[in-house]
Amino acid sequence: GNSVTQMEGPVTLSEEAFLTINCTYTATGYPSLFWYVQYPGEGLQLLLKATKADDKGSNKGFEATYRKETTSFHLEKGSVQVSDSAVYFCALPSQNRDDKIIFGKGTRLHILP
Amino acid sequence: EAQVTQNPRYLITVTGKKLTVTCSQNMNHEYMSWYRQDPGLGLRQIYYSMNVEVTDKGDVPEGYKVSRKEKRNFPLILESPSPNQTSLYFCASSYRGLSQPQHFGDGTRLSIL
Repeated sequence: GNSVTQMEGPVTLSEEAFLTINCTYTATGYPSLFWYVQYPGEGLQLLLKATKADDKGSNKGFEATYRKETTSFHLEKGSVQVSDSAVYFCALPSQNRDDKIIFGKGTRLHILP
Repeated sequence: EAQVTQNPRYLITVTGKKLTVTCSQNMNHEYMSWYRQDPGLGLRQIYYSMNVEVTDKGDVPEGYKVSRKEKRNFPLILESPSPNQTSLYFCASSYRGLSQPQHFGDGTRLSIL
């Protein structure tokens, strides 16, 4: 079935640094890919998504490109802020069960002022 | 405002005392789901529902029950809670379809003593 692997954290960066959080996937076909973000004390919320190969999803300065050649969907941001401190989850639909989303383990990001 | 509402947000209780965590969404979503989030284990799906009166087990259903009598509500019931059910619980909802993002509640932190 489909699966996703993302880099373990925590990741600690200084404000205005460049961010990359790696995500690779295994899937049958070309499912939609998602990044979710969980701020402290809150539930997950959709950050961005891409629905087909070579698509780029973007939101709040974050970007991720759906790369079928490398089966990757890395999350990037050019200049992080303290307010970006959160846990980030890569996700994709399950092959075997309708409507189920498979989430990565999450990557905790700390941004220092 | 579109939202998924969980109650209570926090609960400390004792082994064996039945409890219910309520979940309600106001977006007319067909699909609803419960997850638990534990350190190092990520998000694990407990139960899900594709529509009213249709529920099915997720990956870790033991010790839990759910019901879906109305489209908007999807309560999680712990008939006889045990300490290994101490966790952070999230309810989520979405429209049907593999490209649809999930909308999460803010979570319920349960401590079973």
